Amino acid sequence: GQNIDQPTEMTATEGAIVQINCTYQTSGFNGLFWYQQHAGEAPTFLSYNVLDGLEEKGRFSSFLSRSKGYSYLLLKELQMKDSASYLCAVMDSNYQLIWGAGTKLIIKP
Amino acid sequence: GAVVSQHPSRVICKSGTSVKIECRSLDFQATTMFWYRQFPKKSLMLMATSNEGSKATYEQGVEKDKFLINHASLTLSTLTVTSAHPEDSSFYICSARAGNVLETQYFGPGTRLLVL
Repeated sequence: GQNIDQPTEMTATEGAIVQINCTYQTSGFNGLFWYQQHAGEAPTFLSYNVLDGLEEKGRFSSFLSRSKGYSYLLLKELQMKDSASYLCAVMDSNYQLIWGAGTKLIIKP
Repeated sequence: GAVVSQHPSRVICKSGTSVKIECRSLDFQATTMFWYRQFPKKSLMLMATSNEGSKATYEQGVEKDKFLINHASLTLSTLTVTSAHPEDSSFYICSARAGNVLETQYFGPGTRLLVL
């Protein structure tokens, strides 16, 4: 079966750095997405990786290793507004998005 | 980025009534729209995929006669929850994709449905 694993919850301190991991087992791979979702709101697109390596976009970076079935989202200089759930999603061989359950990130002052 | 709107944002209805939710892509043409359902603290569950002008493809376990989807134009898709019951209470989110399958999905703000 297809599977996306990410930690349920993480806690970090304002101003610090946090890394949210995602491992996947899917039938085929056509890219990995990270979305941010604040409580009660719809997800917003953060990043898309299809090749191995690191993609940097401001305070957020996303890394992919296809051979390991592994990605992480790195958030730097954490701000209170970064408190949200972070969803990892993989596009499989049928171009369907397979969603992880999300990681709830709690930022403390 | 692309903008997707959803209406209404919140609806409360009595059991047995039908509720229609609209999803619009405001600044792009959405060849494909997706309807998701999300329970509290759970991930997104894809309900159906619809391409403009054709019938929606429903995921396994989703009743197509209960959740009617119409994708009448390149900017509008509707989800109608027919004869809603309390167990249909959920957060319904649509997303839209502009072109080919590798394009990013952009999400609407979601509709919170409460069936009494």
